[in-house]
Amino acid sequence: AQSVTQPDIHITVSEGASLELRCNYSYGATPYLFWYVQSPGQGLQLLLKYFSGDTLVQGIKGFEAEFKRSQSSFNLRKPSVHWSDAAEYFCAVGVFSGGYNKLIFGAGTRLAVHP
Amino acid sequence: NAGVTQTPKFQVLKTGQSMTLQCAQDMNHEYMSWYRQDPGMGLRLIHYSVGAGITDQGEVPNGYNVSRSTTEDFPLRLLSAAPSQTSVYFCASSYEGGPPDTQYFGPGTRLTVL
Repeated sequence: AQSVTQPDIHITVSEGASLELRCNYSYGATPYLFWYVQSPGQGLQLLLKYFSGDTLVQGIKGFEAEFKRSQSSFNLRKPSVHWSDAAEYFCAVGVFSGGYNKLIFGAGTRLAVHP
Repeated sequence: NAGVTQTPKFQVLKTGQSMTLQCAQDMNHEYMSWYRQDPGMGLRLIHYSVGAGITDQGEVPNGYNVSRSTTEDFPLRLLSAAPSQTSVYFCASSYEGGPPDTQYFGPGTRLTVL
């Protein structure tokens, strides 16, 4: 069965520090992978996505993610975190099954940023 | 271009009451869907539609009904609300619905059932 695991429920970093959010997926076919961010009280905004090609993808707000097929991972990184990055981050895998498109989400990682 | 809009933003219901969560998009997207978000569980698909007049069930459809009479609108109906339906509900749309297609999310409706 398809699934997405985000091992870290909460992460706290200092402003200016680097960040890596982990994501592991389970899916038998070629994965379509996404990272979304949800600011408090807001909807989900797409940060970046991977479909094929270069395994290092760049997104908005200075984020990047690297697809590693051998590790079934799609970790999100940022070299220097800003206070405005405090939010909840969701990794998702896109699945086309039974005639419809479905996003399977991880449980999310809540990021806190200390000044 | 407003994207995906949802109303209301907040709602409190009593057990057994009915209500409709509204969702509209102005991007001429064929595919629309409803998710619910619960703590520690991410988002789960409730119902989806691949075009006007066509709907189907997702992972967690029980207690919810949908219809799609126009391309723009995709309302979600709770016929008899239960406390287990307390959640945040998100509507999403995409152009075609295939996995590479980016889904655009509305701001959400926070529902509490007492």
